[in-house]
Amino acid sequence: GAVVSQHPSWVICKSGTSVKIECRSLDFQATTMFWYRQFPKQSLMLMATSNEGSKATYEQGVEKDKFLINHASLTLSTLTVTSAHPEDSSFYICSALRGALAYEQYFGPGTRLTVT
Amino acid sequence: GNSVTQMEGPVTLSEEAFLTINCTYTATGYPSLFWYVQYPGEGLQLLLKATKADDKGSNKGFEATYRKETTSFHLEKGSVQVSDSAVYFCALSDEDTGFQKLVFGTGTRLLVSP
Repeated sequence: GAVVSQHPSWVICKSGTSVKIECRSLDFQATTMFWYRQFPKQSLMLMATSNEGSKATYEQGVEKDKFLINHASLTLSTLTVTSAHPEDSSFYICSALRGALAYEQYFGPGTRLTVT
Repeated sequence: GNSVTQMEGPVTLSEEAFLTINCTYTATGYPSLFWYVQYPGEGLQLLLKATKADDKGSNKGFEATYRKETTSFHLEKGSVQVSDSAVYFCALSDEDTGFQKLVFGTGTRLLVSP
């Protein structure tokens, strides 16, 4: 199957700093990528839809100035958590869309962010 | 809004036991339903899907039937293996989003011992 990677797999940062997470589609080009967030014992919550060459579309309640998304190429999307705080600690998962329907997403393994 | 409810885990079974993981959904329209599996250290993978009522999705010995009357999509396997140990997510997409987005349940961890 298709491969999507994320880097880093885990990161610890100090409160007030920013951290960037990369999502790469390794064997296909993806016009659309998605970013999810998962809290312990909770479902994956869609944060935003990232479209190559245009601005990301954020879900209701997600702060676009805090979670900056850049989809600069057909194989790379980045999520930057700005001025991170402990409540931003979570598991962040990206996916890349290979077809037209939601189930045609291929998921990365996730990034564990811990803000101290 | 649309939502998916899964049984809490972990589910602990011995090898060759029968598996059921319950999933029910709430949706305004006629959703498509999915089961995803996440093995340790890997991304979620589509396990099976069903797009209309009474459809049965199947893959790798797993099955789930789309039951509109009970709004359920329970995952079953007749004989689990140690290699089935993973986290299983039930999900849906529907016409409200043009079938472009997924709504997930909380995931159920399955642990299979030899």
